[in-house]
Amino acid sequence: DQQVKQNSPSLSVQEGRISILNCDYTNSMFDYFLWYKKYPAEGPTFLISISSIKDKNEDGRFTVFLNKSAKHLSLHIVPSQPGDSAVYFCAASGGATNKLIFGTGTLLAVQP
Amino acid sequence: KAGVTQTPRYLIKTRGQQVTLSCSPISGHRSVSWYQQTPGQGLQFLFEYFSETQRNKGNFPGRFSGRQFSNSRSEMNVSTLELGDSALYLCASRYLPAPRTGELFFGEGSRLTVL
Repeated sequence: DQQVKQNSPSLSVQEGRISILNCDYTNSMFDYFLWYKKYPAEGPTFLISISSIKDKNEDGRFTVFLNKSAKHLSLHIVPSQPGDSAVYFCAASGGATNKLIFGTGTLLAVQP
Repeated sequence: KAGVTQTPRYLIKTRGQQVTLSCSPISGHRSVSWYQQTPGQGLQFLFEYFSETQRNKGNFPGRFSGRQFSNSRSEMNVSTLELGDSALYLCASRYLPAPRTGELFFGEGSRLTVL
C-alpha cells in the first residue's frame, strides 16, 4: 500500500525553465511533508518542508505547494539548473507513529 | 560535525546467508531509522530506534531486525538472505523522533548484492 505516490518516474526540463515535481498521498493523518534530493552514490539530503497549516513554503529557488483537499503537493524549482539533476523524493509523516513515509522518487534531468 | 556513517559501503552475499549493517548517527542524535531503496519502490521504511527502543516498524518480514546501543549506534540484520533483498540500505538520524524538530540526515548507504 503506497501511501505516498510520485507518478512521474522521470522529468526532463531545459535550464532556466521551471521544474514541477508532483506528489500525492492517501493518508489524511499526514500533516508534515518534506522533499529530499538524492544524487547517485550519496544519501538523500533534505531540501524543503511544509506543515499542513500552510499551503506554501518558499526557500530560494524552491517552493513547495500543499493542497490538502486534493491530498497533493508539488515542488517548483525556478529557474532550473543542471546541478538540480537528481532524484527527488517526497515524504510525509503524521498520526500516532510519526514515521516518515517516502514516495518512489522522480528523476529530474535539467538539460543545459 | 561528522555525518551519518554506514559500514560497510558495499557487500556481496549469497542466498541463505545473513548480513549485519552498521550505522553511526550524527553526534547528539538519538533517533536512528533504516530504509531500503530498490528501483521503482522508493525508500521503504524498515524501522526506527530511539534510546535503544524500537519506536516504529515497517512492513518487512521478521528476517529483518535491528537494534540500537547506548551510544545511539545502530545495527540492522537480515537473516536467510533472498535475491530480492539486494538493495541500498540507508540509515538516517535525527535529533528527536518528531520530524518537526529537524529533518532526517542520511548516510551514504550500504549496497547489498545477494547472489
